[in-house]
Amino acid sequence: DVKVTQSSRYLVKRTGEKVFLECVQDMDHENMFWYRQDPGLGLRLIYFSYDVKMKEKGDIPEGYSVSREKKERFSLILESASTNQTSMYLCASRSTGVGNQPQHFGDGTRLSIL
Amino acid sequence: AQRVTQPEKLLSVFKGAPVELKCNYSYSGSPELFWYVQYSRQRLQLLLRHISRESIKGFTADLNKGETSFHLKKPFAQEEDSAMYYCALGATQGGSEKLVFGKGTKLTVNP
Repeated sequence: DVKVTQSSRYLVKRTGEKVFLECVQDMDHENMFWYRQDPGLGLRLIYFSYDVKMKEKGDIPEGYSVSREKKERFSLILESASTNQTSMYLCASRSTGVGNQPQHFGDGTRLSIL
Repeated sequence: AQRVTQPEKLLSVFKGAPVELKCNYSYSGSPELFWYVQYSRQRLQLLLRHISRESIKGFTADLNKGETSFHLKKPFAQEEDSAMYYCALGATQGGSEKLVFGKGTKLTVNP
C-alpha cells in the first residue's frame, strides 16, 4: 500500500516566516505534487515534480517554491508566509505507468499564518 | 483550456435514494477522468477512473465524450457515502501528466 507522509498535521507560523512543508513517499514514485485545498475552491496545483531536481509550476505557484533533492522527498517552501497562505496543503505522488496513473495523497497539513 | 466543472457545491439525499454527482470537463486532448473522495477526517483517495469501467462501493461513472461529462451515480445511497467528492481530469503539461480538479461536491446522505 502506498504511503505518503506529510511531516505535520497542524502548523502555526507568523507572517514573514520562511515555512517548510515536507512530504515523503515510500513507493519510488517519479511524480510528486503539492496542492492547496480551500473550501469552495477545490484542489489547486501549486507545483509538481516529475523527477529528482526537476520541477514544474502548477496553477498557483506565486509565493511558493519547491525542492526535490531525493526521489522520495518533495518539500514545499513558503519564502515569506502571508495570511492568505493559510490553508490545507496536500501532497501526492504517483508512478509513471501507462496512461495517467492515479495519485496517492497524504493526510494534509493544516497551516495557519498569523 | 483544461477545466472541470462540478455545478453542485452541496447535494443532500435520503438513504436509499439514487444519487448523481455531476461533472463536466473541457479538454482538447483525449480525456482521462477520475473521481476522488474524501471522507470526514480521512485522506483524499481514488474512487474510480473511467478507463477501469468498474463499480466501486456501488458507484459508477460513464465518460460521455459528446456531452463532455463524467457523472458519478449510485442507485441507492448509504449514509456512509456522505463525503466530499472531486472530479478530476488528467492533462498534460510540459510532457508531464497532472490532474485538474473540480471544486468538489459535498454529499450528505440523510437517514
